[in-house]
Amino acid sequence: DTAVSQTPKYLVTQMGNDKSIKCEQNLGHDTMYWYKQDSKKFLKIMFSYNNKELIINETVPNRFSPKSPDKAHLNLHINSLELGDSAVYFCASSQAGGLNNEQFFGPGTRLTVL
Amino acid sequence: GEDVEQSLFLSVREGDSSVINCTYTDSSSTYLYWYKQEPGAGLQLLTYIFSNMDMKQDQRLTVLLNKKDKHLSLRIADTQTGDSAIYFCAETLRGGSYIPTFGRGTSLIVHP
Repeated sequence: DTAVSQTPKYLVTQMGNDKSIKCEQNLGHDTMYWYKQDSKKFLKIMFSYNNKELIINETVPNRFSPKSPDKAHLNLHINSLELGDSAVYFCASSQAGGLNNEQFFGPGTRLTVL
Repeated sequence: GEDVEQSLFLSVREGDSSVINCTYTDSSSTYLYWYKQEPGAGLQLLTYIFSNMDMKQDQRLTVLLNKKDKHLSLRIADTQTGDSAIYFCAETLRGGSYIPTFGRGTSLIVHP
């Protein structure tokens, strides 16, 4: 069974559009994350969220917003897409204070902005 | 500067040992990790070491931690073509959030 799933796997869209990426985890974890991986494979944390606290990387533009309908889901909304938003976006989850704080990653969503 | 640094590429011959190195700057690390990313996939935890340990061995993998030099290494014995991937070093900090700080990743290429 898939532990962390994301949809869609590929997303191609025009500049200026608004899009969403969905993420679900069935691990019962209390914390979820969004990461951005650029073309050079550099991985940058965008958001960390549990039911108590949202931690935002201050370098993330406010066009990006996480939305969590419940503990198992953390969706990523992006407004007014720009060329520089093209990247692979990974959702992840972990159990805060768990044995080793292991992060479980989804398969990624490759976003291409034209 | 970055908190966690790694060399970007490593090329080895199948059957040889691979050693991937990482340096970090914050001495208050609690855990140090090695994650593996295969092409087209997300990262997966390969192994980790608690900061009060010097070494951890798990089958073909050996992790060495030199706290004085803030240096972490991952040795893969008898490297196979299936080991070709990007390897990310990461750390979490004592008293900090649970969010790990990742290095830029080392691309390991294994050729016959």
